[in-house]
Amino acid sequence: EVQLVQSGVEVKKPGESLKISCKGSGFTFTYSWIGWVRQMPGKGLEWMGIIYPGDSDTKYSPSFQGQVTISADKSFSTAYLQWSSLKASDTAIYYCARRSSTNWSFDYWGQGTLVTVSS
Amino acid sequence: SYILTQPPSVSVAPGQTARITCGGSNIGSKSVHWYQQKAGQAPVVVVYDDSDRPSGIPERFSGSNSGNTATLTISRVEAGDEADYYCQVWISTIPDHGVFGGGTKLTVL
Repeated sequence: EVQLVQSGVEVKKPGESLKISCKGSGFTFTYSWIGWVRQMPGKGLEWMGIIYPGDSDTKYSPSFQGQVTISADKSFSTAYLQWSSLKASDTAIYYCARRSSTNWSFDYWGQGTLVTVSS
Repeated sequence: SYILTQPPSVSVAPGQTARITCGGSNIGSKSVHWYQQKAGQAPVVVVYDDSDRPSGIPERFSGSNSGNTATLTISRVEAGDEADYYCQVWISTIPDHGVFGGGTKLTVL
């Protein structure tokens, strides 16, 4: 069974750093594209970026380039999303998802990680 | 940047047909995927590549794509279809990346 299991709720202060994770199982993680999607409170889905753990090829939406860093450790079948200096506007639910190899939709999703940034 | 435009809301009575549009420049040349997101849950793909359905998705869900508009059609709407729906495409220009539409809230009256 394909699963993406994300790390738990985070509460941070502005200016702090953060790295959240997404662990895949039930499929060949190394050869699958894993994406990240933001959903701010009461708002829609935003495509952030995607990584291919096999060679760490990473593509970012222009809106998120330079704002976050996406990485992966194929030996742990885990993808990461990190911030060096959080802002209140980073408060959101962050989903990871696997991109289908045949049709490029996101066919499996993690449960989401709630990140709250508040002083 | 490429923009996908969806109506904020669509309302339909049970048993009727709901149509949710997704507008974009020459979107007919792209593959469109549709996601359903129920309250408090992660999204689920209901249509991929314009009109294909993943296994487990009812035949009531269908899609089309031509010109500047893609459409998700839900026939014989049920109360359980009430959710937010998002279209999504892949932009192949440099940098290549994905884009979601703003989402449509489907209300079953």
